[in-house]
Amino acid sequence: GEKVEQHESTLSVREGDSAVINCTYTDTASSYFPWYKQEAGKSLHFVIDIRSNVDRKQSQRLIVLLDKKAKRFSLHITATQPEDSAIYFCAASYTEGADRLTFGKGTQLIIQP
Amino acid sequence: NAGVIQTPRHKVTGKGQEATLWCEPISGHSAVFWYRQTIVQGLEFLTYFRNQAPIDDSGMPKERFSAQMPNQSHSTLKIQSTQPQDSAVYLCASSLALGDQDTQYFGPGTRLLVL
Repeated sequence: GEKVEQHESTLSVREGDSAVINCTYTDTASSYFPWYKQEAGKSLHFVIDIRSNVDRKQSQRLIVLLDKKAKRFSLHITATQPEDSAIYFCAASYTEGADRLTFGKGTQLIIQP
Repeated sequence: NAGVIQTPRHKVTGKGQEATLWCEPISGHSAVFWYRQTIVQGLEFLTYFRNQAPIDDSGMPKERFSAQMPNQSHSTLKIQSTQPQDSAVYLCASSLALGDQDTQYFGPGTRLLVL
């Protein structure tokens, strides 16, 4: 089955700088890659996703890049703000949404003042 | 829109007791997913339904776990003879599962503690 590895367990950046979280996956059949944010004591909140028919997607300060050859995708958060502090999970699934998600272990993002 | 509703939010059971968790998906969503989250294992898929039919239960521990979706507005996850290792946050998610309207939206979770 699919395996998703999230490379940074903790990432600390200064407020205003960019943060980059990297994930790799194993199964070339995966075609849908969402990202979720989890604040302390709360559930998963969807932030952005990318499908395999594109290699870049942007939503305001969030950019997702997908490299299918390397089986790698990444979340870039620009101009970080204190409210960006949370755990971020990457995930992969075989079909777009209507299928099980395989999650990475999560990255704790800390925004330093 | 109230989002995905899960009840109870917290449940404490004794070892060997039964626990039933409820999920109400977002109205109109046809796919319902169950996951569980622990510190050690992270987020694990358990099972999912589409249009109330079970599609994939490959993540379910076979002997004591069962899930049902008797109607489009609610799903249940039942754990029989609970064990301490079942302690986790159980998350339900729903999705429209229609073309690119496929984002999975998660409920607040049920925190199960088995003593």
